[in-house]
Amino acid sequence: GQNIDQPTEMTATEGAIVQINCTYQTSGFNGLFWYQQHAGEAPTFLSYNVLDGLEEKGRFSSFLSRSKGYSYLLLKELQMKDSASYLCAVPDSNYQLIWGAGTKLIIKP
Amino acid sequence: GAVVSQHPSRVICKSGTSVKIECRSLDFQATTMFWYRQFPKKSLMLMATSNEGSKATYEQGVEKDKFLINHASLTLSTLTVTSAHPEDSSFYICSARDLQWDRGEQYFGPGTRLTVT
Repeated sequence: GQNIDQPTEMTATEGAIVQINCTYQTSGFNGLFWYQQHAGEAPTFLSYNVLDGLEEKGRFSSFLSRSKGYSYLLLKELQMKDSASYLCAVPDSNYQLIWGAGTKLIIKP
Repeated sequence: GAVVSQHPSRVICKSGTSVKIECRSLDFQATTMFWYRQFPKKSLMLMATSNEGSKATYEQGVEKDKFLINHASLTLSTLTVTSAHPEDSSFYICSARDLQWDRGEQYFGPGTRLTVT
């Protein structure tokens, strides 16, 4: 079967760094996505990893280890607007996304 | 590129009426679109996968006769909530895949907030 696990909720301080982890078990591997979803809004694409290593994109970076079935999203210089849910997703063999339950990130001043 | 629109953004209807929600891919062709439902403070829940020119595939527990899906063209899918009841009040979101560059990424519409009174 396929399964994705990520923490339900995390709290961090404005200006700090936070790492949101995601572990997955899939029968094959076609990459891993991270999406951001603000309350009351639809998800928006953040990153896609298909090779091992770190992909940096401004304040956000995403890391993948295929051998460990593990990814993380790293958010630097946290801003209040980063308060949102962060969703990890992997495509199945038909390239249909299997979603994690999402991690709600709370930023405190 | 890869813009998905959804209409209406908000709708309030009376119990027993039907509501149609449209999902359009504006600048790409989407043979596959997805319909999700999200209750407050809950996870995204896939309702059905909509394939152009064929019947939609519904997830377990989703009534196909209540949630009618039509994917008549490569850029348009519609979800009709029939005989809506207050428990159908939710945030409905569609997404689409761009098969030209397909790696599984889904582009989301802005969502439709349905309130049934």
